[in-house]
Amino acid sequence: SQTIHQWPATLVQPVGSPLSLECTVEGTSNPNLYWYRQAAGRGLQLLFYSVGIGQISSEVPQNLSASRPQDRQFILSSKKLLLSDSGFYLCAWSARPWDSPYSNQPQHFGDGTRLSIL
Amino acid sequence: SQQGEEDPQALSIQEGENATMNCSYKTSINNLQWYRQNSGRGLVHLILIRSNEREKHSGRLRVTLDTSKKSSSLLITASRAADTASYFCAIKGYSTLTFGKGTMLLVSP
Repeated sequence: SQTIHQWPATLVQPVGSPLSLECTVEGTSNPNLYWYRQAAGRGLQLLFYSVGIGQISSEVPQNLSASRPQDRQFILSSKKLLLSDSGFYLCAWSARPWDSPYSNQPQHFGDGTRLSIL
Repeated sequence: SQQGEEDPQALSIQEGENATMNCSYKTSINNLQWYRQNSGRGLVHLILIRSNEREKHSGRLRVTLDTSKKSSSLLITASRAADTASYFCAIKGYSTLTFGKGTMLLVSP
């Protein structure tokens, strides 16, 4: 069966420090991968998605970046964190149909990373 | 905006009662999905209904879709305390999935 792992679960960082959040998927190949941010009591904001190794689409311009160095690994980074980067970060994957980079399949989420910026 | 909007924002019921949550949207869709999120956890997929479907069932869950009214509803029958969570609808257009802000459901024993 497929599983998705995110770490760390909780992170407290000072303003201006770098960030690296990692997400890995097991039990599937060629997944679409996603990074979301959820502010307290709000919906999910899509930050980045990837349809393949090295292919990253950014939905929201900001000081965050994403990379996909391997098929089932998705990394969210920042060189200098801002106070506004605080939130709950969620990684997700979905199966990709052979005929489209976009998936009509449901998304499967990790348990998230709660990031607090001081 | 392709974002779905859930209604109500919060719902409080007793165990055994039914819970109904609604989702409205503004654009054409490929499919509409419902997810549940327990406090501090990731989202869990519940049901996907395609634009050419009108109703789907899964256990105690019933989802309807009315594309003419651009709305969907999620019904949870015979609710349990364990159903306490936030419920999100997500709109699938051509590419990415867009989530609403959710309905917080509290089921009291």
